[in-house]
Parts: sequence; structure tokens; C-alpha cells
Amino acid sequence: AQRVTQPEKLLSVFKGAPVELKCNYSYSGSPELFWYVQYSRQRLQLLLRHISRESIKGFTADLNKGETSFHLKKPFAQEEDSAMYYCALRVDTGRRALTFGSGTRLQVQP
Amino acid sequence: GAGVSQSPSNKVTEKGKDVELRCDPISGHTALYWYRQRLGQGLEFLIYFQGNSAPDKSGLPSDRFSAERTGESVSTLTIQRTQQEDSAVYLCASSLRQGYYGYTFGSGTRLTVV
Repeated sequence: AQRVTQPEKLLSVFKGAPVELKCNYSYSGSPELFWYVQYSRQRLQLLLRHISRESIKGFTADLNKGETSFHLKKPFAQEEDSAMYYCALRVDTGRRALTFGSGTRLQVQP
Repeated sequence: GAGVSQSPSNKVTEKGKDVELRCDPISGHTALYWYRQRLGQGLEFLIYFQGNSAPDKSGLPSDRFSAERTGESVSTLTIQRTQQEDSAVYLCASSLRQGYYGYTFGSGTRLTVV
């Protein structure tokens, strides 16, 4: 079965520092990868999708099929980026619901 | 409505009692999902509805859990004979079709079994 691993429970950086939130997945087919974010006291919401190849709030993520990774990156962290970040995967066969990782809490200190 | 609505927002129940959680998806969203999030853990898939197709129940942890959806509208998740390990936040999400554009989540129901 497919699996998503986010190895860091907590990532703490200073404002202006680069950020990389790690996500690795296990699936042999062609997955779709997503990043979701949950700010304090807000709902879980979509941040970006790999198929869009877009940059949202300065964040980007590149799907690396060789390394089965979809790391989320931002060159200069802002305090308002502090939140829980979840990586998610959808497979092309069988279960069509997203499989989520356990999440990483990003703390951006002033 | 404007978003996915879940009720109640909080529920405290005694062990052994049945509970029913409700989800109102965004109008027009054919896909609806239930997830469970235990404290400090990720989202655990429970069940998925897509239009009039048979639901994917593969994530339901036991036969105490069941869910229904009427057409493309409201869904209810029922937990019978609740146990303390059922304590979690139950999240509902909907999407236009099979989640291609991502999910819209509700704010969740926090269930505490005492």
C-alpha cells in the first residue's frame, strides 16, 4: 500500500532562513502529490499540487520520482509561515482518496 | 454553502454510547471523504463517497464505524459502542471530482470518549 513519510515532527528556523520540509513516498506507479497547510485555528487547506508546478506564498515543491520525494521549499521563511504542513499522495489506481503524512510543524522565529 | 460544514464541533460521550457526526459538503462537490486525526498523528482515511458509486469503506477501522451519504449531499458518520481509542478529530472534506483540484476541509468534530 502507498505510504507518505514526513520524517520531521518539528522544524524550527529563523525568519529569513531557507526552509525545506521533507516528504518521501512509497508507490510504484504514477502518483499525484500535494502539500496541505493548517494555520493556527484554521482549517486544513491546499497549498500546492505537483501537477500545477506553481509557487504559492513563495513555496515550491518538485516531484523527484527517482528519490520518491516531494520536498517543500521556500528560500526565505516568514513568521506567517508558521503552521502544520502535511504532504499527501493520491495513486492512479485503487483507492482514490488522499494518503497523508503525519505532518511537520514549522516554527519561524523572529 | 460557502464551505464544508461539520457538526457538532465538539462532542463528549460516555464509553459505550453511539455517536453521529454530520458533514455538509460544498454544493456540487461529488466526492466526500472522512478522515480521523488522533492527537499528534496524521490524517487516517476512513471512507470515500463518489457520486452514486459504491463507497470505498476500506479505511473504516471496525464494524462499529459506518457512514452514509444521501446522493451528493449530507453525510453522517456513525460510531457505535464508542471506545476511548475513538477519541480524535473527525475531518470531512469534499471535492469537485475525485479530488483533482484538492479537497476543501471542514473544521472537524472533536470527539472525546470518557
